[in-house]
Amino acid sequence: EPEVTQTPSHQVTQMGQEVILRCVPISNHLYFYWYRQILGQKVEFLVSFYNNEISEKSEIFDDQFSVERPDGSNFTLKIRSTKLEDSAMYFCASRWGQGVSEAFFGQGTRLTVV
Amino acid sequence: GQQVMQIPQYQHVQEGEDFTTYCNSSTTLSNIQWYKQRPGGHPVFLIQLVKSGEVKKQKRLTFQFGEAKKNSSLHITATQTTDVGTYFCAGPNYGNKLVFGAGTILRVKS
Repeated sequence: EPEVTQTPSHQVTQMGQEVILRCVPISNHLYFYWYRQILGQKVEFLVSFYNNEISEKSEIFDDQFSVERPDGSNFTLKIRSTKLEDSAMYFCASRWGQGVSEAFFGQGTRLTVV
Repeated sequence: GQQVMQIPQYQHVQEGEDFTTYCNSSTTLSNIQWYKQRPGGHPVFLIQLVKSGEVKKQKRLTFQFGEAKKNSSLHITATQTTDVGTYFCAGPNYGNKLVFGAGTILRVKS
């Protein structure tokens, strides 16, 4: 069964450092997302990406965040200067369409900022 | 913006008891989706409801979509320990993102 893969599974970084979280969405999907989940809390939308550009972003997704689809398969989330409060589980998801299309989530990257 | 609210936040039941979680949207939804997240896992799609008043069953799980397409429920009959996890509802907004409810954490005592 096709799946969304994320690497690394766990990343520990020092405050102020840059991190790149990587995702390989399902190959025929067109819509890509990053969500984050602080431990025990809700799944929060960060950004959606379609047709090689951001289609929507939340207020969490400020200037320190960026996304890229550099080579047609990978989908990356970069956090330029990490803060302690960025510690969370980051999930990548993809859908083949919008509306009635379900989202497939990756296993997540647990980011710990120390 | 669109909000999706879910209650209860947390429910602890005895194995064999029933469980229900409720979802309400601030806007009419074209469809609603339900996901389950096992402890330490990632959200996994369970089902999607599209039609007003729709009811779907998956074994012991019953999903309903309200007539006004603004609310939904998930009911589990005779819970088992394998049912533990967090159940999220999610609705698409006017764009292409899914807005998730806060989730209901289900714990089952055996």
